[in-house]
Amino acid sequence: AQSVTQLDSQVPVFEEAPVELRCNYSSSVSVYLFWYVQYPNQGLQLLLKYLSGSTLVKGINGFEAEFNKSQTSFHLRKPSVHISDTAEYFCAVRGAGSYQLTFGKGTKLSVIP
Amino acid sequence: DAGVTQSPTHLIKTRGQQVTLRCSPISGHKSVSWYQQVLGQGPQFIFQYYEKEERGRGNFPDRFSARQFPNYSSELNVNALLLGDSALYLCASSFGTSGGLQDTDTQYFGPGTRLTVL
Repeated sequence: AQSVTQLDSQVPVFEEAPVELRCNYSSSVSVYLFWYVQYPNQGLQLLLKYLSGSTLVKGINGFEAEFNKSQTSFHLRKPSVHISDTAEYFCAVRGAGSYQLTFGKGTKLSVIP
Repeated sequence: DAGVTQSPTHLIKTRGQQVTLRCSPISGHKSVSWYQQVLGQGPQFIFQYYEKEERGRGNFPDRFSARQFPNYSSELNVNALLLGDSALYLCASSFGTSGGLQDTDTQYFGPGTRLTVL
């Protein structure tokens, strides 16, 4: 079984400042890692994914994440946030042999003008 | 290309009633998964179907059931509704060619159906 911990439930940040949203996971098997974004009253949109290979993955809207196997982390970063980045961000994991995604509880990013 | 579509958008039911939610996957995708997202929480896995067969089931009671049709669309049924069933129900589709770690298993989500049980 897998589990995901998103360490911050809310992150306020000023516009054009950098941001890091933290995610740690637990799994006894190899995993795929994902970040999804959810805007108010909408479904989930895939931001980026780690499948294999380079541990630094780039996604849409200028986001990137780094897979750290030794620390079992997959933190999401953006060097300069925009008002439109205000949303809830979910980290998710899927383990080898599993068909389901396991999500964290989400981090609400609020960008302050 | 059209993404995952779900219907209806919103639904209001009373306790004890039954509800059916519908999902159409992205063209070419053969796998559909259902998730329940209670307010303030991350989505929780309910079911996954591939080629009309159930591949996986989450920790939900038997009141929850689903099926997949030959065109790969899917329905989620919930019987004897409880207040606690109020949630956003999300459908996700993928190619679903295997249960292993392949890019083809990346799941793409629809906009969801907001179910309110009174």
